Amino acid sequence: DMKVTQMPRYLIKRMGENVLLECGQDMSHETMYWYRQDPGLGLQLIYISYDVDSNSEGDIPKGYRVSRKKREHFSLILDSAKTNQTSVYFCASSLGGNTLYFGEGSRLIVV
Amino acid sequence: AQSVTQPDARVTVSEGASLQLRCKYSYSATPYLFWYVQYPRQGLQLLLKYYSGDPVVQGVNSFEAEFSKSNSSFHLQKASVHWSDSAVYFCALGGYNQGKLIFGQGTKLSIKP
Repeated sequence: DMKVTQMPRYLIKRMGENVLLECGQDMSHETMYWYRQDPGLGLQLIYISYDVDSNSEGDIPKGYRVSRKKREHFSLILDSAKTNQTSVYFCASSLGGNTLYFGEGSRLIVV
Repeated sequence: AQSVTQPDARVTVSEGASLQLRCKYSYSATPYLFWYVQYPRQGLQLLLKYYSGDPVVQGVNSFEAEFSKSNSSFHLQKASVHWSDSAVYFCALGGYNQGKLIFGQGTKLSIKP
């Protein structure tokens, strides 16, 4: 079954704490993505990864970093979270950049 | 620069009525265009996509979309909506930069009984 799994689904952190969002896919897709979704803004691309250790900045990379050490896993890290990083984060994967398969999202609140 | 605009933030239609959700794009070359749907508390799911060829593409759940190069549009349509179609619909543009997709702001569809 084609699936993208995100953990955790819900997270509350204090400002300045570190945040780790994890994403896994079982389709051996080369390309993986991290987006954030905010009301009225649609989805904004944070990072794209074309394969292991082959990551590229998206449109809003500031304040985020990523790690991809295995093809099936793609992590999003927030070092010292800020309140304006409160959002819903979506991971997605695709084969060659065509159809994207999305996870169910990770809702992060930074207080 | 590339962009996608969905001019209607919210659309309400009666159950059984026809539907059109609008999408305009800006891109100088041939675009890859997508419509995704997002149900509450879920991720996005692909409805349909256009790469080339017949400008009318069919998708899941009887949705279809028509590509118009002259109008830079990719409107989503359905002949008869059902209450279960209530969701947020996103138009997206790809094909311009190595797998990156740009999403519109989304249109929230509500169905009146």
